[in-house]
Amino acid sequence: SQELEQSPQSLIVQEGKNLTINCTSSKTLYGLYWYKQKYGEGLIFLMMLQKGGEEKSHEKITAKLDEKKQQSSLHITASQPSHAGIYLCGADGGGADGLTFGKGTHLIIQP
Amino acid sequence: KAGVTQTPRYLIKTRGQQVTLSCSPISGHRSVSWYQQTPGQGLQFLFEYFSETQRNKGNFPGRFSGRQFSNSRSEMNVSTLELGDSALYLCASQGYPLGSYNEQFFGPGTRLTVL
Repeated sequence: SQELEQSPQSLIVQEGKNLTINCTSSKTLYGLYWYKQKYGEGLIFLMMLQKGGEEKSHEKITAKLDEKKQQSSLHITASQPSHAGIYLCGADGGGADGLTFGKGTHLIIQP
Repeated sequence: KAGVTQTPRYLIKTRGQQVTLSCSPISGHRSVSWYQQTPGQGLQFLFEYFSETQRNKGNFPGRFSGRQFSNSRSEMNVSTLELGDSALYLCASQGYPLGSYNEQFFGPGTRLTVL
């Protein structure tokens, strides 16, 4: 089964700074999802990447899927307090196992 | 468009009881997946329903079951509750089945506490 490892596990960043979260898969990624979760709440869809080399942006968040399709990165530019939360990457292995998720990255933004 | 809704939002049960959780997907979406989230195990896939048929099932005991109705609404049931079933249960909807790589949207979750 597919496993996703996220790094770092937690991150404290000063407001206004940039940051990057990584997601590494044990198998080739065919559909990679990024979500944000506020503690104890549902997941907010951020982006889905499918093609090697693909890059998508939404507001100040950019996600990339590397050409070899085993790693994705999420980059936040000029972080704001609203960016705080848990970022989760999920992989669609083709349907049999649902989405497999990483353990998440806890992001704290310091004013 | 209204998002994915889940009811109830919070639930407290005692060991041995059973519970039914409900999920209404986004209008037009026919795929509903259920996940369990705990601090120790993270997010784990329970099962997926598409057009009233269970397509896939995760590695959970038979006490966990579900169904989907003709209007795509889904319910999951947990029988003979155990303390370890305390978790946030999340439902997600998609227009097409898992494996077709389209956007999957989650509901706010049902927080189940088993005493």
